[in-house]
Amino acid sequence: NAGVTQTPKFRILKIGQSMTLQCTQDMNHNYMYWYRQDPGMGLKLIYYSVGAGITDKGEVPNGYNVSRSTTEDFPLRLELAAPSQTSVYFCASSLNGLAGDDTQYFGPGTRLTVL
Amino acid sequence: GESVGLHLPTLSVQEGDNSIINCAYSNSASDYFIWYKQESGKGPQFIIDIRSNMDKRQGQRVTVLLNKTVKHLSLQIAATQPGDSAVYFCAEKTSYDKVIFGPGTSLSVIP
Repeated sequence: NAGVTQTPKFRILKIGQSMTLQCTQDMNHNYMYWYRQDPGMGLKLIYYSVGAGITDKGEVPNGYNVSRSTTEDFPLRLELAAPSQTSVYFCASSLNGLAGDDTQYFGPGTRLTVL
Repeated sequence: GESVGLHLPTLSVQEGDNSIINCAYSNSASDYFIWYKQESGKGPQFIIDIRSNMDKRQGQRVTVLLNKTVKHLSLQIAATQPGDSAVYFCAEKTSYDKVIFGPGTSLSVIP
């Protein structure tokens, strides 16, 4: 299994541009998550999904959108990039969610800079 | 509000010594705690977890201690190796699917 994969690894955007961060997992996990990690800080949850067709907001959802049309893919969309969205973005997945103390598996991250 | 914080932002230890990384949490209702290791340029990697009905759990070279009285948990790494150099995060689960991460402690192992 490749686990959780993310593309691209790096991206530089201009203010106002849009982009989609891709995330794919091949572990048949039901739950998927998007986090952002600012320098020297922990991770903050942006959005999560408990299964195909179901998404919900996390702590910091403003400025982002997600969709979950398949079990494997959970793309994160930035519509109007702002400098405050400069961060490292991590996608994660887990089999049955944290209610069962399920382990999250993280992707390698996407480093985004908005200038 | 809810928060998870670390007492020491950086820690340097000699190779072969034991390391102790501390973490404070504020939500007494949290029932599950996780330690993650994040190496440079990589995503967090699960190390060990502990439920609130336990006060100690051991893994391979790692031990997590939970003190619910003072809302504190720690990660102990035995015989620290250069490969242990990384940032370590504690995280608490406060409710269904909600996990709060602390800011992280950077561990440097001196050869």
